[in-house]
Amino acid sequence: QIQLQQSGPGLVKPSQTLSLTCAISGDSVSSNSVTWTWIRQSPSRGLEWLGRTYYRSEWHYEYAVSVQGRITINPDVSKNQFSLQLNSVTPDDTAVYYCTRAILGRLDYWGQGTLVTVSS
Amino acid sequence: DIVMTQSPDSLAVSLGERATINCKSSQSVLHSSNNRNNLAWYQHKSGQPPKLLISWTSTRESGVPDRFSGSGSGTDFTLTISSLQAEDVAVYYCQQYYRTPHTFGQGTKLEIK
Repeated sequence: QIQLQQSGPGLVKPSQTLSLTCAISGDSVSSNSVTWTWIRQSPSRGLEWLGRTYYRSEWHYEYAVSVQGRITINPDVSKNQFSLQLNSVTPDDTAVYYCTRAILGRLDYWGQGTLVTVSS
Repeated sequence: DIVMTQSPDSLAVSLGERATINCKSSQSVLHSSNNRNNLAWYQHKSGQPPKLLISWTSTRESGVPDRFSGSGSGTDFTLTISSLQAEDVAVYYCQQYYRTPHTFGQGTKLEIK
């Protein structure tokens, strides 16, 4: 059974870096048939696709333009997990963040969600 | 980016009645390689992550009751719940996965009348 377990702080100060990790069980971060994606949800933005990483003979990364330049999604093969880093956060980045697995784009497994509040 | 627009924003339906949610994409999400529309529907209940209900416009995921159905083509899509049950109260989202970023509609809140 596939499970995604998120971890990371729920409070981040403005201008600092948001860091979340998603531990995968029941699948491999190196699988060549899925992608690993971060989604966030806020009242102002609704559900927002942030970016993904996937392995197809080499690692690939895609990011939404809205967070390009501030976002990094990294796989960790040794721990079978992937992470999200979002730099220079503002209160507008306050949201529930989800890690997900996607097959051909469809988000079939989700982490439990992490409410991240950006506040001093 | 492909813009997804849902209607209505909220909907109240009596138990046992039909609920219909619409979703319109700003451009076609038809993938030429398989002639399928890359359109999914998710159900989001409070305190839980969203759940994939339907993909490829009309393919129900395993375990999804058959009262849920999807239809549409081109840029216009519909999610129908044929006979509303109390456990169907949720926010429903459409999503295109044709082109990144894989954008979502703004959501439709479904309640019991």
